[in-house]
Amino acid sequence: EIVLTQSPGTLSLSPGERATLSCRASQSVPSNSLAWYQQKPGQAPRLLIYGASSRATGIPDRFSGSGSGTDFTLTISRLEPEDFAVFYCQQYDQSPPMYTFGQGTNLEIK
Amino acid sequence: EVQLVESGGGLVQPGGSLRLSCAASGFTFSAYWMYWVRQAPGKGLVWVSRIKYDGSGIEYADSVKGRFAISRDNAKDTLYLQMNSLRAEDTAVYFCTRGPDSITWHTYFDYWGQGILVTVSS
Repeated sequence: EIVLTQSPGTLSLSPGERATLSCRASQSVPSNSLAWYQQKPGQAPRLLIYGASSRATGIPDRFSGSGSGTDFTLTISRLEPEDFAVFYCQQYDQSPPMYTFGQGTNLEIK
Repeated sequence: EVQLVESGGGLVQPGGSLRLSCAASGFTFSAYWMYWVRQAPGKGLVWVSRIKYDGSGIEYADSVKGRFAISRDNAKDTLYLQMNSLRAEDTAVYFCTRGPDSITWHTYFDYWGQGILVTVSS
């Protein structure tokens, strides 16, 4: 079973700053199976990035994803007040079929 | 507009049963894989189960295998999760979410319902 470890657990930044969130896999992950989600309190998660680097429909271009193998990164180039939330990475194992999420990074306003 | 609306949650005693429903609209439900994902209070996201667009391809997380059953009624555009032998650790918000369609395989969840709370407690 592939384990996803996100870091840092909490990231405190100010609007206008750049955010860099990390997702590390315990084994190599196909890039096309790595996704990122944003979740605000009391809301459902929202898909941000799929295939490690493709933005989902309607996602602003200040959000970008990169990485391959075991190390993936979500970058928010210039934080807007509405960006503060918890972010999760997610991947898929084929054998046995299993979908795994990281434990999340809480991006909070400094 | 794609909409997924869960219902059927609530308070149930340990060992009890509950059936969740997820009503889909705004897309061709019968063409998509569907999933359940849950989130315990204050915790992260955990995948629970999946079902292929034609009702096959069913898989479960080990934590619910043998106790939960996923199904769908494509005529009613509805996804279900039958939960039996419920435990305190099944307490969570359960989200219905959409996966790939019958043509293009992918491994992410693009639309989510608002979630429904299931509380297992005596």
